[in-house]
Amino acid sequence: NAGVTQTPKFQVLKTGQSMTLQCAQDMNHEYMSWYRQDPGMGLRLIHYSVGAGITDQGEVPNGYNVSRSTTEDFPLRLLSAAPSQTSVYFCASSYWDRARTEAFFGQGTRLTVV
Amino acid sequence: GESVGLHLPTLSVQEGDNSIINCAYSNSASDYFIWYKQESGKGPQFIIDIRSNMDKRQGQRVTVLLNKTVKHLSLQIAATQPGDSAVYFCAEKSGTGRRALTFGSGTRLQVQP
Repeated sequence: NAGVTQTPKFQVLKTGQSMTLQCAQDMNHEYMSWYRQDPGMGLRLIHYSVGAGITDQGEVPNGYNVSRSTTEDFPLRLLSAAPSQTSVYFCASSYWDRARTEAFFGQGTRLTVV
Repeated sequence: GESVGLHLPTLSVQEGDNSIINCAYSNSASDYFIWYKQESGKGPQFIIDIRSNMDKRQGQRVTVLLNKTVKHLSLQIAATQPGDSAVYFCAEKSGTGRRALTFGSGTRLQVQP
């Protein structure tokens, strides 16, 4: 009954460091996405994937890379961390059809870049 | 502590009152809408959804109203409880283009006992 699992929950990075935020889902959803959430703002889409081997950019993709080698996993890589990437990151997964799309979210990763 | 939502619009209601949270959306091609609830330190949780061919949908203590003419969505919570205190987001899905949800900036609901 895990749903969407994100690791780590908290992370502090120095400017210029790289890291990978992990996301795994056990609902066999084809669609997965990464959002960032900043104070006073809604969630902004970074990257998304409609299935294994397929990824695409969202609203704010710069500075992030993703890959989707399996249905279950969708890691987000920060190539060279910057203070502007300090945020809370959420991974979501969903089925996707014309009728509805209920995205299930992980608990979030709170990232601070100093 | 929570850093999300420091500058969000806030709706303060008394326990037992009804709450109405509003959302304006921008994309006339959006064909599906969702309301999410986000409690402190947690990810957003689905509350209720509505398709664009409907103007009202009811759940348990919640009702969503959709006015496509003015591109407006509202969430009504009946008999608001302290556990309803959270940040509420509307999200829209476009019927064309990118397969992604676009989120509004959110409203904080504070329930006074």
